Amino acid sequence: SQKIEQNSEALNIQEGKTATLTCNYTNYSPAYLQWYRQDPGRGPVFLLLIRENEKEKRKERLKVTFDTTLKQSLFHITASQPADSATYLCALPPGGGGNKLTFGTGTQLKVEL
Amino acid sequence: GAGVSQSPSNKVTEKGKDVELRCDPISGHTALYWYRQSLGQGLEFLIYFQGNSAPDKSGLPSDRFSAERTGGSVSTLTIQRTQQEDSAVYLCASSLERTENQPQHFGDGTRLSIL
Repeated sequence: SQKIEQNSEALNIQEGKTATLTCNYTNYSPAYLQWYRQDPGRGPVFLLLIRENEKEKRKERLKVTFDTTLKQSLFHITASQPADSATYLCALPPGGGGNKLTFGTGTQLKVEL
Repeated sequence: GAGVSQSPSNKVTEKGKDVELRCDPISGHTALYWYRQSLGQGLEFLIYFQGNSAPDKSGLPSDRFSAERTGGSVSTLTIQRTQQEDSAVYLCASSLERTENQPQHFGDGTRLSIL
């Protein structure tokens, strides 16, 4: 089965800097990968999806990369703001495709003034 | 439009009691998922309903857990004879299933505490 690794240590950065979060997987390369944001006491919220044939995807201040050779996705937030503070989860489908996702444990981001 | 709605938002009960958790998915979403999230942990898959197909129950931790989805809409997750280790946040999500890659839309969960 797929094992997903996200940095369990919180990432603290200064406002205005770029935050970079890592999602590593250990087994098969998925057809796509999704990133979610979760605030305390709330359910995860979908942010971005990147397909295996896409190297990079952007949405406003967000950028996701997908390197199937390294088995890694990077999630970047540029010009970070305190409101970006949250836990960010990556999620992958099973090897045979489909919509059932396996989620990483997430990385907590804290953006300080 | 309305998002995924879960009730109750909080539930405190004594060990050994049965509990029912409810999920109202987004209208028109054919797929419905239940997850469990313990403090500081990731989302643990429990069960997946996909249209009229038999549900994928592979994540249910024991036979004390069951779920149903009536009329392709509302779902109920039932935990019988609750144990303290059942304490967690139970999250429900729904998605369209016309194609792959569909994002999941989550409710805010039910926080279950077993005394």
